Amino acid sequence: EAQVTQNPRYLITVTGKKLTVTCSQNMNHEYMSWYRQDPGLGLRQIYYSMNVEVTDKGDVPEGYKVSRKEKRNFPLILESPSPNQTSLYFCASSFGGRGDTQYFGPGTRLTVL
Amino acid sequence: GDSVTQMEGPVTLSEEAFLTINCTYTATGYPSLFWYVQYPGEGLQLLLKATKADDKGSNKGFEATYRKETTSFHLEKGSVQVSDSAVYFCALDFAGGTSYGKLTFGQGTILTVHP
Repeated sequence: EAQVTQNPRYLITVTGKKLTVTCSQNMNHEYMSWYRQDPGLGLRQIYYSMNVEVTDKGDVPEGYKVSRKEKRNFPLILESPSPNQTSLYFCASSFGGRGDTQYFGPGTRLTVL
Repeated sequence: GDSVTQMEGPVTLSEEAFLTINCTYTATGYPSLFWYVQYPGEGLQLLLKATKADDKGSNKGFEATYRKETTSFHLEKGSVQVSDSAVYFCALDFAGGTSYGKLTFGQGTILTVHP
């Protein structure tokens, strides 16, 4: 089954404790993105990757890191989480062409205390 | 920069009512336009899309037409069901060429349908 998986689905942590949210896709997509969803703001792109070892900032990259060492995986790293990073996070992938459908993971709800 | 504006929600309807959710956009160039739907506890999934002016996207009884002259992509359904209760997002991709996988989203509209 074609899918994007994320782990964990739920995470409660404390300020400053490094964490990683994993994302994996099995569709051989070139492009992968991370978004955060906040009430009244829709989804905003954090980082994206065009291929292995190629990443770039989205609209809200501060406080986040990513890496793309394999085509299928695109982890999101919070080196020192803060309460304003409490949000719902989605990973997405696509072939990247204009008009291509993006496929979303199930989401990770992160709470930073 | 590019932006998407959706009608304010939430929207509450009775089953079999007519649905319209307004969406307008601002973009340089000619973006592709999308409606994504998020059911409770799930990720987003594509509902329909249109890639050029006057195209009509349709799926599951939902329709939207790409109107370049009014920069709009309003979502409509003639008869909603309880199972249509979800959050609906209008979005556009990068209009200048390769999208690099980036979508610009509206704020989302919560739809609740009562029996």
